Amino acid sequence: TQLLEQSPQFLSIQEGENLTVYCNSSSVFSSLQWYRQEPGEGPVLLVTVVTGGEVKKLKRLTFQFGDARKDSSLHITAAQPGDTGLYLCAGERGGANSKLTFGKGITLSVRP
Amino acid sequence: DVKVTQSSRYLVKRTGEKVFLECVQDMDHENMFWYRQDPGLGLRLIYFSYDVKMKEKGDIPEGYSVSREKKERFSLILESASTNQTSMYLCASSGARTYNSPLHFGNGTRLTVT
Repeated sequence: TQLLEQSPQFLSIQEGENLTVYCNSSSVFSSLQWYRQEPGEGPVLLVTVVTGGEVKKLKRLTFQFGDARKDSSLHITAAQPGDTGLYLCAGERGGANSKLTFGKGITLSVRP
Repeated sequence: DVKVTQSSRYLVKRTGEKVFLECVQDMDHENMFWYRQDPGLGLRLIYFSYDVKMKEKGDIPEGYSVSREKKERFSLILESASTNQTSMYLCASSGARTYNSPLHFGNGTRLTVT
């Protein structure tokens, strides 16, 4: 059973469209991180959310942590081809030596 | 900026060979990790280390071992490579043991075992 479910798995949209993708779990997390991975490179951290209900904005990207700290969403406004990549969420339950658990990722393709 | 360098981008090895994947970070980070990434399976943790000469098993340690003799270097060893170890291997480091410490990844080593 996957601890973190990401949806949709694949998304192909036209430049300028808006989109929302999700990271869901039945478990509570102390924090959630979102990474973006471009082809041929390692994942790069976009944001960390730690408080239930927290909203963080990074230019056209808006991240939200659910009130119960079990889920998160990423909304992209006016998507651009440069947003193309694999979006990974990763959660940590907290405590000593706690490790990150990754979702399987969402492959986003933005067509010019 | 943190730099995590993996020694090889592409590697082709034969079944049964001993394979070494090297990773070096330049930010004096305590924590280092090895993941493998496979289509449809996401990132899976193989081993990690919180200090020199210290190692802990991740979720899929079978068939692998690690070495951390120096703080900046974390090596992944495939004792006898098998075809099911063909994968993308990602090394990462982080600077603190707090729960929201971000991971800094290298660019990966794509290993093919024939």
